[in-house]
Amino acid sequence: KAGVTQTPRYLIKTRGQQVTLSCSPISGHRSVSWYQQTPGQGLQFLFEYFSETQRNKGNFPGRFSGRQFSNSRSEMNVSTLELGDSALYLCASSFIPGSNTEAFFGQGTRLTVV
Amino acid sequence: AQRVTQPEKLLSVFKGAPVELKCNYSYSGSPELFWYVQYSRQRLQLLLRHISRESIKGFTADLNKGETSFHLKKPFAQEEDSAMYYCALSAQKLVFGQGTRLTINP
Repeated sequence: KAGVTQTPRYLIKTRGQQVTLSCSPISGHRSVSWYQQTPGQGLQFLFEYFSETQRNKGNFPGRFSGRQFSNSRSEMNVSTLELGDSALYLCASSFIPGSNTEAFFGQGTRLTVV
Repeated sequence: AQRVTQPEKLLSVFKGAPVELKCNYSYSGSPELFWYVQYSRQRLQLLLRHISRESIKGFTADLNKGETSFHLKKPFAQEEDSAMYYCALSAQKLVFGQGTRLTINP
C-alpha cells in the first residue's frame, strides 16, 4: 500500500508569509503526527491528530497550527513565518495512537524561509 | 518530563567491528522505547522496539531500567549500516533523541 505522502516536497517562502503543508497518511491509519527536524534541535514534536481531534501538542508557538480531515488527511499551517522556521517538516501516521504503535514517516517537506 | 539523550552525534567504526549506539532516557512511567533509522535519501523508519525483543539486521537493544538506557548494539558492523539512528521514547507522543550519525569505514 502507498506510504505516507507529504506535499509539497520543497517550499521557499518569505518572512511574514504563511504556509500550509499537507500529509496523506497510509490508508486505514487514523493518527497523524507532525515533527520539525533541524540540524540543531533534531526531531521535535509539533502535534498529533486522531479522528479530527488534536490529542497532543508540543512546545511550539501558536503560529503553528494543524487540523485533520474526516479522511484522516492532515494539514499544518505556519503563519507569520520567521527565518528560524526553516526546517524539514515530517509527518508520521499510525493505525491508532498508542505507546507501542509503529509510526510511518513521510519524506518530509523542506521549508526554507528567506 | 520525558527526555532522550544520545550522547554521540557522530560514531565511526570499521567494517566488522562491534557497534554500540548509546541512548539514555528520562521518564517517570514505564517506558516504551524504539530505535528509528534513516538511511541516505530514505525516509525515517522503525528499526526495532524494545517490547518485541527482536533482532533486526543484526541489531539488538536491551532496556535497562536501572541505568535508564536502551543502547543499540551489533556485533559486526557492515557498510550498509551507515545511517542516522534515533532513539525514541513513547509517552503519549514520540520523543526523539538528537540522533547519532553512524559511519562504517571499509
